[in-house]
Amino acid sequence: GDSVTQMEGPVTLSEEAFLTINCTYTATGYPSLFWYVQYPGEGLQLLLKATKADDKGSNKGFEATYRKETTSFHLEKGSVQVSDSAVYFCALRFPSGSRLTFGEGTQLTVNP
Amino acid sequence: DAGVIQSPRHEVTEMGQEVTLRCKPISGHNSLFWYRQTMMRGLELLIYFNNNVPIDDSGMPEDRFSAKMPNASFSTLKIQPSEPRDSAVYFCASSLKGTGGAGTDTQYFGPGTRLTVL
Repeated sequence: GDSVTQMEGPVTLSEEAFLTINCTYTATGYPSLFWYVQYPGEGLQLLLKATKADDKGSNKGFEATYRKETTSFHLEKGSVQVSDSAVYFCALRFPSGSRLTFGEGTQLTVNP
Repeated sequence: DAGVIQSPRHEVTEMGQEVTLRCKPISGHNSLFWYRQTMMRGLELLIYFNNNVPIDDSGMPEDRFSAKMPNASFSTLKIQPSEPRDSAVYFCASSLKGTGGAGTDTQYFGPGTRLTVL
C-alpha cells in the first residue's frame, strides 16, 4: 500500500542553521505531496504542496521539490528560527481521492 | 473567519463511559475528516464524509466507534464504551472538494480534542 517515510527525529538545531527533513514515499502512480506543520497544542496546518514531478512548493522560507526519480519530497529551509519549532508531517494524496497518508512526523526544536 | 471548531478541547473520562466529540467544519466546505493521533500510530484517518455522506470508514477501529454528520455544519464522533487505549488527540478537518477531483484541495484542521480514558 501507499506509505510515507520521514527521517527520524527529534531534530535539534541552533537558530540560523540549515534544515533538511527527509521524506520518501511509496505509491503506485503519481500522488500529490504535502508538508504539514503542527505547532504545540494546535492542529495541523498546510505548509506547502506539489502536485507533479519537479514542482517546487514553497512557503515561509521552506521549500520542497517533488522528485519522481527518487520518490522524495525533502523539506528544506536555509535559516531556521526559534518560531519554526514544531512537528513536521509529510503526506501524500492521489488526485482521485481525498485520503491523506501521513508520515510519522519529525519534531524540530530550534534553540536560540 | 472561523476555522474548524472542535469541542471539547479536553476530555477526561472513565473506562466504559460514552464519549462524544463534536466538530463544526468551515462554512462552505463539503468534505469532513476525523483523524486520531497517538505516539504509537501517528496520524490515522478514521472516517471521512463528502456532502454529509460517509465515503470511507475503513479506519474506524471497531464497532465502539461511530460518526455522524447530520448536516453540513456539524459532525460527531462517538465512542461507546470508551477504553484506555482510545486515549489520543482526535482531529477534525474539512475541505472543499473540487468537482474535477484534482486531489489538491487543502484540508484545514481543527485544534483537536485531547481524550484521556482512565
